[in-house]
Amino acid sequence: QVQLQESGPGLVKPSETLSLTCTVSGGFSSSYYWSWIRQSPGKGLELIGYISHSGSTNYSPSLKSRVTLSVDTSKNQFSLKLTSVSAADTAVYYCAREVVFYGCFDFWGQGTLVTVSS
Amino acid sequence: DIQMTQSPSSLSASVGDRVTITCRAGQSITTYLNWYQVKPGKAPKLLIYAASRLQSGVPSRFTASGSGTDFTLTISGLQPEDFATYYCQQSYSVSPFTFGGGTKVEIK
Repeated sequence: QVQLQESGPGLVKPSETLSLTCTVSGGFSSSYYWSWIRQSPGKGLELIGYISHSGSTNYSPSLKSRVTLSVDTSKNQFSLKLTSVSAADTAVYYCAREVVFYGCFDFWGQGTLVTVSS
Repeated sequence: DIQMTQSPSSLSASVGDRVTITCRAGQSITTYLNWYQVKPGKAPKLLIYAASRLQSGVPSRFTASGSGTDFTLTISGLQPEDFATYYCQQSYSVSPFTFGGGTKVEIK
């Protein structure tokens, strides 16, 4: 059974960089894309972007200028960096595995709340 | 971006009820439509992919249909564990994939 677990600071100051890591157990396969999705308080789900095993990335156009995804296959991890954060970036951040052919997310982490506040 | 509109945004139902949620896409997405169940503090769960295919391990009371722009998710015989928020997601356009606004299913 694949399991994903997000980790990182729960509080980030405005204008600083949000950094999260997702650790994958049970199979960090090259057959999938590895994604970040967030949910702001009282709002719906928003895809941030995905990274492949080889490091190819695709970012949401609305966040592209501030997002960097990276992968460390030796540690079964992939990571998110979001720069110049503001209160609007306060959200629960999920990592998830994308089934490439269908574009669906079949395994997710439990999510981690990141609050942007001074 | 492809806009995804869900209705209703919330509903109240009783255990045993049949519940239907609708998702409409801003353009045709053929059958590139997926459904998720989200509960606070838990990992979201994929229920349906490719518009009507039941994800492994998901109870058969969850069914879905549709193609083009109009889709439905039906829960037949609502169970206590089904009270949650449900989201549709299109995977037709990768730039970016987009989700509906969610439908919260509450206990009547």
